[in-house]
Amino acid sequence: GESVGLHLPTLSVQEGDNSIINCAYSNSASDYFIWYKQESGKGPQFIIDIRSNMDKRQGQRVTVLLNKTVKHLSLQIAATQPGDSAVYFCAESPSYSGAGSYQLTFGKGTKLSVIP
Amino acid sequence: TAGITQAPTSQILAAGRSMTLRCTQDMRHNAMYWYRQDLGLGLRLIHYSNTAGTTGKGEVPDGYSVSRANTDDFPLTLASAVPSQTSVYFCASSADPDGTDTQYFGPGTRLTVL
Repeated sequence: GESVGLHLPTLSVQEGDNSIINCAYSNSASDYFIWYKQESGKGPQFIIDIRSNMDKRQGQRVTVLLNKTVKHLSLQIAATQPGDSAVYFCAESPSYSGAGSYQLTFGKGTKLSVIP
Repeated sequence: TAGITQAPTSQILAAGRSMTLRCTQDMRHNAMYWYRQDLGLGLRLIHYSNTAGTTGKGEVPDGYSVSRANTDDFPLTLASAVPSQTSVYFCASSADPDGTDTQYFGPGTRLTVL
């Protein structure tokens, strides 16, 4: 079946360095992609999203890159800070068909640890 | 702004007992969702509601029921809990169910079924 997965389950990064978290997806119908951050004991928090008609989108210290050719999504965090330590999830969804729900499929997550 | 609130924060429940997990949002979002999060399996959709008065089944609906009597509240009920329902449950909402709006999550309810 279709799935969303992550290349690296854990990532340790020195404070101040850039972090790159990767995600592979297999559903060719995926149209919308989201990155969430989840801190320990909290719910997932929206970071940034991107649609399939874009290759890159930037936010504050974060950039999402989408490579549709190889079905790959990445999250780049610039100047990583201790507060960035969390589990990061990618999620994807096909275009909403008007029936059912806008169902996100989540990856299993990558744990980012920032070394002070 | 409170956003999404869930209650209780955590609960230990005997197998066979029933329980309702509460979820309330104050953003006037049309769509609401219930997920469970398990180690190694990520977040899986249990039930959803595109608008008040309607509900639908997600990926793992068995053993759970929901209702959406109004816009703000979306309770999740376990009629007869089993140990496999031990999990962390997250409620989420989005302005619309059509994929153009982000899903925002509550803080979660940690449920242990013994």
